[in-house]
Amino acid sequence: GAVVSQHPSRVICKSGTSVKIECRSLDFQATTMFWYRQFPKKSLMLMATSNEGSKATYEQGVEKDKFLINHASLTLSTLTVTSAHPEDSSFYICSASHGGELFFGEGSRLTVL
Amino acid sequence: GENVEQHPSTLSVQEGDSAVIKCTYSDSASNYFPWYKQELGKRPQLIIDIRSNVGEKKDQRIAVTLNKTAKHFSLHITETQPEDSAVYFCAAIPSNDYKLSFGAGTTVTVRA
Repeated sequence: GAVVSQHPSRVICKSGTSVKIECRSLDFQATTMFWYRQFPKKSLMLMATSNEGSKATYEQGVEKDKFLINHASLTLSTLTVTSAHPEDSSFYICSASHGGELFFGEGSRLTVL
Repeated sequence: GENVEQHPSTLSVQEGDSAVIKCTYSDSASNYFPWYKQELGKRPQLIIDIRSNVGEKKDQRIAVTLNKTAKHFSLHITETQPEDSAVYFCAAIPSNDYKLSFGAGTTVTVRA
């Protein structure tokens, strides 16, 4: 199957700093990628749809200025958590579709101190 | 938007027994229903999926059924093994844009 890779897998940062998470489709091109957030023992909540070459589409309740998404190429989407706070600590997962199936990245666990 | 409900939230079964997880969806336009298995701290893995033109699909010990009229679908795991212990999520998609709506998840524990 297709491979979606995320980096970093774990990141710890101080409050007020910004953190960038990368999502790459390694062996296929993805014009659309999706970013999810998952709290412990909870389901995946769609945050936004990342569109190559255009603005991301955010789900209701997700702050655009807080979670910056850039999809500059057909294989890379980035999520930047700006001015991070402890409540932003979570598991962030990206996904991309290929051949009729959705593939997920490994996930990135963000801890904000 | 699509609303997916999943039950039960936790399920404990004896090794060798069957496990059944049920989901309902709200959008009659949904036409793709995948099931994912997620182990702690790892990414969701697709284990089986079904499309709206099919009523049942089976892959070894795993099967999924779909009732479009009632708008519900179920996951059946037979002859459960300890390695089946994980969190299982159902999902639904209203169209081919892969904008998944996930159920709340079911934590399955298989007792040896």
